[in-house]
This record gives sequence, structure tokens and C-alpha cells, in this order.
Amino acid sequence: DQQVKQNSPSLSVQEGRISILNCDYTNSMFDYFLWYKKYPAEGPTFLISISSIKDKNEDGRFTVFLNKSAKHLSLHIVPSQPGDSAVYFCAATQYSGAGSYQLTFGKGTKLSVIP
Amino acid sequence: DTAVSQTPKYLVTQMGNDKSIKCEQNLGHDTMYWYKQDSKKFLKIMFSYNNKELIINETVPNRFSPKSPDKAHLNLHINSLELGDSAVYFCASRNTQETQYFGPGTRLLVL
Repeated sequence: DQQVKQNSPSLSVQEGRISILNCDYTNSMFDYFLWYKKYPAEGPTFLISISSIKDKNEDGRFTVFLNKSAKHLSLHIVPSQPGDSAVYFCAATQYSGAGSYQLTFGKGTKLSVIP
Repeated sequence: DTAVSQTPKYLVTQMGNDKSIKCEQNLGHDTMYWYKQDSKKFLKIMFSYNNKELIINETVPNRFSPKSPDKAHLNLHINSLELGDSAVYFCASRNTQETQYFGPGTRLLVL
């Protein structure tokens, strides 16, 4: 049972335009949400996060929006650059006891930014 | 000065062999993880250690045994390798709730 879903396996966007990556979740116990970026043959790299008590977090060209009632979050990249081409993973975390937090990942969306 | 390192990066081996993957982090984090990314590209947690203690042990065959000799290391030993073990294995470490830092991955191919 997928608790974190990224329904678009791929997305192509023109350079300079906005990229919007979407993510849905089902577990209401999730209290923190993250986006990771992954290049081929590398590990995922943390990009941006948002706490469940907020609805927006911005960092430079990257903005994450959270709609708790809809259990939906999105990542906006403006303006998109060719170097943004990568796989983007949505992840959610919940406390799993003894000081540990468990990350649950979506399947990823491959973003291609076309020059 | 790599934050989270894994060795080896590639591992090709025969079915039935025993192999180990090593992970080290120099970030001073208390918690370390092993994830498996299978052919369907899902990243799934396997184990979590906090201060050398096993915290999370997902439904993983007992052929997989993590070992944490100290806070900075979490190694993964796999006995009697099977074809289905072929995947990319990622080590990660965490300090605060929101950020886990991942290693580059170990690409395991079982023939």
C-alpha cells in the first residue's frame, strides 16, 4: 500500500518556465514532508522540506506547498533550468519511536528541462 | 570530505555468496539507515540504528544483518544472496527530524 504517491512518472518543461511536481499521501500521521533530488548514479540529495503546521516554504527558486486537508503537496521550481533535470522524490516522515523518524518515499518524478 | 560514504559502489556476485556493504558518516549524526531501491525504483527503508541500537527493522529477510560497530558506521551483511537481492542500496544518516543525508549508493547485481 503506497502511502506516498507521485502519479506522474515524468514531466517535461521548457527552460525558464515553471515546473510543478505533485505528491499525495494517505497517512495522516505524517508530520513532516521533504523533497529530494536525485541524479543518476548518485544518492538522493535533500532539497526542501515543510512541517505539517505550515502551508508554504520557500527557498530560492524552490517552493513547497502543503494542503493538509487534501493530503497533497507540490514542489514549484521557478524558473526551471536544465540543471534541474533529475528525479524528484517526495517523502514524508513520522516518528517511529526511540528517537528515530521513518521516511516513506514516493516513486519519483523524472523532470526534464528542455533548453 | 564526503559526508556519507559507501563501499563498494558496484558489487557483482554469484547467487549463494555472502557479501558486505560498508557505510560511514562523518557528520556526527546519531541515526543511520539502510534503504533499498528496487527495479521499480521504490526507495524503501530496511533498517534504522540510533546510537548503535536497532530501532527499525522492516520486513526484511533475516539473511540481511546490519551491524553498527560505532555511531559513525552501519554495515550491511547479506548471506546466501538471491537474484531478487539485486538492487541499489543506500545508506543515510540523520541528525534532525527533517533531513537525512544519503550516500552515493551501492549497486548490487546477483547473477
